[in-house]
Amino acid sequence: GNSVTQMEGPVTLSEEAFLTINCTYTATGYPSLFWYVQYPGEGLQLLLKATKADDKGSNKGFEATYRKETTSFHLEKGSVQVSDSAVYFCALFTSGTYKYIFGTGTRLKVLA
Amino acid sequence: DAGVTQSPTHLIKTRGQQVTLRCSPKSGHDTVSWYQQALGQGPQFIFQYYEEEERQRGNFPDRFSGHQFPNYSSELNVNALLLGDSALYLCASSFGGIGDTQYFGPGTRLTVL
Repeated sequence: GNSVTQMEGPVTLSEEAFLTINCTYTATGYPSLFWYVQYPGEGLQLLLKATKADDKGSNKGFEATYRKETTSFHLEKGSVQVSDSAVYFCALFTSGTYKYIFGTGTRLKVLA
Repeated sequence: DAGVTQSPTHLIKTRGQQVTLRCSPKSGHDTVSWYQQALGQGPQFIFQYYEEEERQRGNFPDRFSGHQFPNYSSELNVNALLLGDSALYLCASSFGGIGDTQYFGPGTRLTVL
């Protein structure tokens, strides 16, 4: 079946450090890939998405590239801020199932 | 433009009781999906409603049921509550029954004692 694997957290970084959160997936067909962010006490917010191989999604300084050859969708940001502290979820969606499969989430803590 | 709204925000029930959670989709959306997010875990898909019918279902027992109304709002019902049903319940909306990009509500925190 379809699945998403994320690196385990928590990830603790100093402000302005470089961020990478790894995400790999297993899926039949050609899924769309997403990163969602969840701030404390809130629901999920769409951060970025990519719908086909080699697409790069980007938003608020975050970016991720859909790599079909390595079945990966790693999240990166060049310079993190304290306000980026949150839990980040990688997810995939396949039109045949009409549902998202989420990873377990990676908690990011950015220190001033 | 109102986003996805859910009610109530928090709920406390005891084992064996029944609960109903409500969701109003984002304006212009006609498809509603429900997810259960246990503490420290990613959301798990419960089911999706489109055109007032359940179109897809995840691995949840029949104690979990739902409904979609003509105005596209939706309810999630859980019967015979178990301690393990304690979680954040998220509603997500999308358009056209495809659901490629879903917008999530803030969730309802259910605690079962």
